[in-house]
Amino acid sequence: SQTIHQWPATLVQPVGSPLSLECTVEGTSNPNLYWYRQAAGRGLQLLFYSVGIGQISSEVPQNLSASRPQDRQFILSSKKLLLSDSGFYLCAWSDGARTSLGYTFGSGTRLTVV
Amino acid sequence: GQNIDQPTEMTATEGAIVQINCTYQTSGFNGLFWYQQHAGEAPTFLSYNVLDGLEEKGRFSSFLSRSKGYSYLLLKELQMKDSASYLCAVRDEYNFNKFYFGSGTKLNVKP
Repeated sequence: SQTIHQWPATLVQPVGSPLSLECTVEGTSNPNLYWYRQAAGRGLQLLFYSVGIGQISSEVPQNLSASRPQDRQFILSSKKLLLSDSGFYLCAWSDGARTSLGYTFGSGTRLTVV
Repeated sequence: GQNIDQPTEMTATEGAIVQINCTYQTSGFNGLFWYQQHAGEAPTFLSYNVLDGLEEKGRFSSFLSRSKGYSYLLLKELQMKDSASYLCAVRDEYNFNKFYFGSGTKLNVKP
């Protein structure tokens, strides 16, 4: 069966510090991978998605970036965090061939920028 | 732009039936999804509608009317564990990787 791992679960970082969140998927190959952010009281906002190694589509440029160095690894990064980067970050995967199944989300990272 | 509207919060009694509505105005449409999200946890997939009508999965059913830009999630025989937020999401017509999420409806189930 497929599983998705995301870490860390919580993170408190000072403004201006770098960020690296990692997500890995097991039990499937060539998944579509996504990074979402959920701010308090707001809907999920798509940040990046990837349909293959090295292929990144950005929906919200800002000061975040994403990379996919391996088929089942997706990384969200920032060089300098802003207060507005605080939120709940979710990694997700989907099977591109089975579009009716929606996403499977990771357990999320709660980021607080102070 | 894309607009997905859901009520912010609802309260219902254990054992009852509750209907959570979602209306959408999007430039395109290729499916509507419902997710359940317990507090502090990740969303989990509940249902998918792409054609008009009702889809039933156990205690949960989801309805879609594309002409009205309207969907609802129906929860029967409510249990305390159904207390959660329910997210409505519309998939982009041209890009299967893009979804537009509503802000979610927080459902409180009381004894």
